[in-house]
Amino acid sequence: AQKVTQAQTEISVVEKEDVTLDCVYETRDTTYYLFWYKQPPSGELVFLIRRNSFDEQNEISGRYSWNFQKSTSSFNFTITASQVVDSAVYFCALRKDSSYKLIFGSGTRLLVRP
Amino acid sequence: DGGITQSPKYLFRKEGQNVTLSCEQNLNHDAMYWYRQDPGQGLRLIYYSQIVNDFQKGDIAEGYSVSREKKESFPLTVTSAQKNPTAFYLCASMGFGAVGNEQFFGPGTRLTVL
Repeated sequence: AQKVTQAQTEISVVEKEDVTLDCVYETRDTTYYLFWYKQPPSGELVFLIRRNSFDEQNEISGRYSWNFQKSTSSFNFTITASQVVDSAVYFCALRKDSSYKLIFGSGTRLLVRP
Repeated sequence: DGGITQSPKYLFRKEGQNVTLSCEQNLNHDAMYWYRQDPGQGLRLIYYSQIVNDFQKGDIAEGYSVSREKKESFPLTVTSAQKNPTAFYLCASMGFGAVGNEQFFGPGTRLTVL
């Protein structure tokens, strides 16, 4: 069975702090894909990143970075120098190879206070 | 601009009425999806379609119906059999033959039953 766990329900930080959102996944497949989405108050999900299971390189995009570790089945997301506009719900998701279905975590609500 | 449109943005329905939510995409994607999101919760898959004239039930299909007569369109009907239809509904699409690719989401429809 596949499963995605985002244990942090809500996180509150002050602007300019760094914050890490945790994502732990379960799958028996050797080939799979991991995703992060952002859901701002408007409601639309915005795609942030996709990572393949055979590519464990960490990735940095501006203030965003992702740490993929197969050994611990984790795909954590760090925002450096957070800003108020980062306030949103963030979802981690998993899809196994040859499947069209995404398995979502329950989401982490991030509040960045000025 | 390529993207996914959903209409209406807000929808009010009386109990016992069927209502249809529209989802259109011009991304030339083969796969389309419908999700339901309740307040403070994650996304749950209602139905998905990998190709025209074919669709599969997701995790919470009871009380819902879909059709896929055109590649661009995947309307969702919320029937009177759905016990608690008040929720936020999101439509998504994904390109065929690229299972590792991400799903793109529409802006959502917020349905309220009066």
